Amino acid sequence: NAGVTQTPKFRVLKTGQSMTLLCAQDMNHEYMYWYRQDPGMGLRLIHYSVGEGTTAKGEVPDGYNVSRLKKQNFLLGLESAAPSQTSVYFCASSDREGQPQHFGDGTRLSIL
Amino acid sequence: AQSVTQLDSQVPVFEEAPVELRCNYSSSVSVYLFWYVQYPNQGLQLLLKYLSGSTLVKGINGFEAEFNKSQTSFHLRKPSVHISDTAEYFCAVNTNDYKLSFGAGTTVTVRA
Repeated sequence: NAGVTQTPKFRVLKTGQSMTLLCAQDMNHEYMYWYRQDPGMGLRLIHYSVGEGTTAKGEVPDGYNVSRLKKQNFLLGLESAAPSQTSVYFCASSDREGQPQHFGDGTRLSIL
Repeated sequence: AQSVTQLDSQVPVFEEAPVELRCNYSSSVSVYLFWYVQYPNQGLQLLLKYLSGSTLVKGINGFEAEFNKSQTSFHLRKPSVHISDTAEYFCAVNTNDYKLSFGAGTTVTVRA
C-alpha cells in the first residue's frame, strides 16, 4: 500500500542551490498537488496538476516550478533556494474535484 | 473564495475526557468538508468527510463531526480521548474545484 511517496524525506540546502522534490502515486489519480506547511499557517497550495502534461499555480507559486510528464509523478523544483523556502513540503493526489486528497509523508527542507 | 477558521489553536485535554474542535468556514456555494489528522513527523490522514446526505458524519478512531449549514460550521468531536489522539487536526473545505482550503490547525494534547 504505497499510496503517495515523496523523496527525499529530509534535505539541507545552501541559499542559491537548486533541487527537485519527487512525488509518486500509485492510485491512478488524475489530480496532484504540492503544498507547503509552516507553523500556524496550515497548508498552502503551491502548484497543482489536473492531468498528465498540465500544471497550474496555486496560492504561493513564486520561486517554484513543477512538471507532470507522467501521470503518476509530480515534480517540484526550486531553481534558486531561499531561506524563506524552509518548510515541510507535502504532495497529495485525488481522483477528481471535491474528493479527499491522499497525502505523502512530507519532505522537510532547510535552507541555510 | 472560501476560507476556514479553526477557533482553537491548542486544546489540552485529559485522557478519557471528551473533546470538541471547532471549525467555521465561509463560502457562498455548496461545500465539501474534511477533517484530517497529522501525527508528529507524518503526513495528513483523512479522519472523515462530508460530501452530502446526513449532517452527522462518523469517521475513524471514534471521531464524528456535524455539518451545520446555517452556522457554516463543521465541528469535530470525540466522546473519550486516548493518549494516542495527541496530534494536530486540520479542517478543510472544497467547493468542487481543485482547491482545498485548510484551517491553521488545532493541536490536541492528551494528558494522563
